[in-house]
Amino acid sequence: SQQGEEDPQALSIQEGENATMNCSYKTSINNLQWYRQNSGRGLVHLILIRSNEREKHSGRLRVTLDTSKKSSSLLITASRAADTASYFCATGLNNDMRFGAGTRLTVKP
Amino acid sequence: DAGVTQSPTHLIKTRGQQVTLRCSPKSGHDTVSWYQQALGQGPQFIFQYYEEEERQRGNFPDRFSGHQFPNYSSELNVNALLLGDSALYLCASSLGPSSNQPQHFGDGTRLSIL
Repeated sequence: SQQGEEDPQALSIQEGENATMNCSYKTSINNLQWYRQNSGRGLVHLILIRSNEREKHSGRLRVTLDTSKKSSSLLITASRAADTASYFCATGLNNDMRFGAGTRLTVKP
Repeated sequence: DAGVTQSPTHLIKTRGQQVTLRCSPKSGHDTVSWYQQALGQGPQFIFQYYEEEERQRGNFPDRFSGHQFPNYSSELNVNALLLGDSALYLCASSLGPSSNQPQHFGDGTRLSIL
């Protein structure tokens, strides 16, 4: 399906460490987006990478996209306790966008 | 610059009832999408409205319907509520219906069905 699947489901790290989350999908896409969701809140857009791009950076975030492997990764460097949240990838095709089940990241102070 | 606002924030209904949820998009946005998010799951796409028409629809029954008004605000209606409809309902707005646009989300309406 077009819907992304995140891996791992949960990740626990110490403050200052890097966190890597992966997203796999099965069909062609136009773009892939990453979102963050704090408990009980709405999703916040982090970064969008188009199918013809391989890597994008935004502050401490680095996203890669490998369309041949149908996968993407989100790297958060020098993590902080405030990065504790759920992270979702969303695959976009034409006017359709679908979310995965997310990775729950816990950053321990 | 107001972001996406949703009302109410919480709602409790009983099986068989009907509910209407409301969403005002971010200023300047013309497209509204609705999602259902069960506890511990990712958002599931319900439908998208653009130019007052339903443009895309996810795998949801006809009990789920919506509307978009000329000021771009939107409503989600759910009829004949089931226990399984208990979830966080999220509204997201964007500039245009293309998936190439980032979506801005409200904080959702928590719907509980008793």
